[in-house]
Amino acid sequence: GENVEQHPSTLSVQEGDSAVIKCTYSDSASNYFPWYKQELGKRPQLIIDIRSNVGEKKDQRIAVTLNKTAKHFSLHITETQPEDSAVYFCAAPFHRGSTLGRLYFGRGTQLTVWP
Amino acid sequence: NAGVTQTPKFQVLKTGQSMTLQCAQDMNHNSMYWYRQDPGMGLRLIYYSASEGTTDKGEVPNGYNVSRLNKREFSLRLESAAPSQTSVYFCASSQTPTATDTQYFGPGTRLTVL
Repeated sequence: GENVEQHPSTLSVQEGDSAVIKCTYSDSASNYFPWYKQELGKRPQLIIDIRSNVGEKKDQRIAVTLNKTAKHFSLHITETQPEDSAVYFCAAPFHRGSTLGRLYFGRGTQLTVWP
Repeated sequence: NAGVTQTPKFQVLKTGQSMTLQCAQDMNHNSMYWYRQDPGMGLRLIYYSASEGTTDKGEVPNGYNVSRLNKREFSLRLESAAPSQTSVYFCASSQTPTATDTQYFGPGTRLTVL
């Protein structure tokens, strides 16, 4: 959605290389930033998330970094493998006067890892 | 524990026909959502239900209606389908309605309107 911008829209890397996907958001009150992975024909599944009280979070080969001042966050995948090939979505809350907020998704990045 | 389930998996409609997409969750979640996914557009929220008995519009509600039948079930109805509603529809649920709560998605329904 317009409240979350995601780049690039497509990304091709060689197996073993790193991949980085970046998102920017508009609501300075946003405090939760999940990343979803969607394999072809499957449902989106949460792979990692970060809350605004930390600047980085790692889980094995994936990590997310957050820069609240610049209002952007990034997904880093190291030592990529063919099974990492999928569409990745970032998301961020947008509150617009509501205490609950709504989650808005980026348009997705198609990651292809070549063997 | 099936999580979030959706029926049907695939559907083809003619313009003007109506249909209801069904969604159910067995995680005792309070909040449920309907999204549509179009190529290059990400996931866009159609309607959501913060809790049983409440529903609210999302980003793209025109042409749709919803019913929160009970805590488990949330249906999406197309009264008069249009080709612009050709899309993949995902239902999701979360424990609470806050945007900071993890959402769990169903397997999706691929709808084609001719």
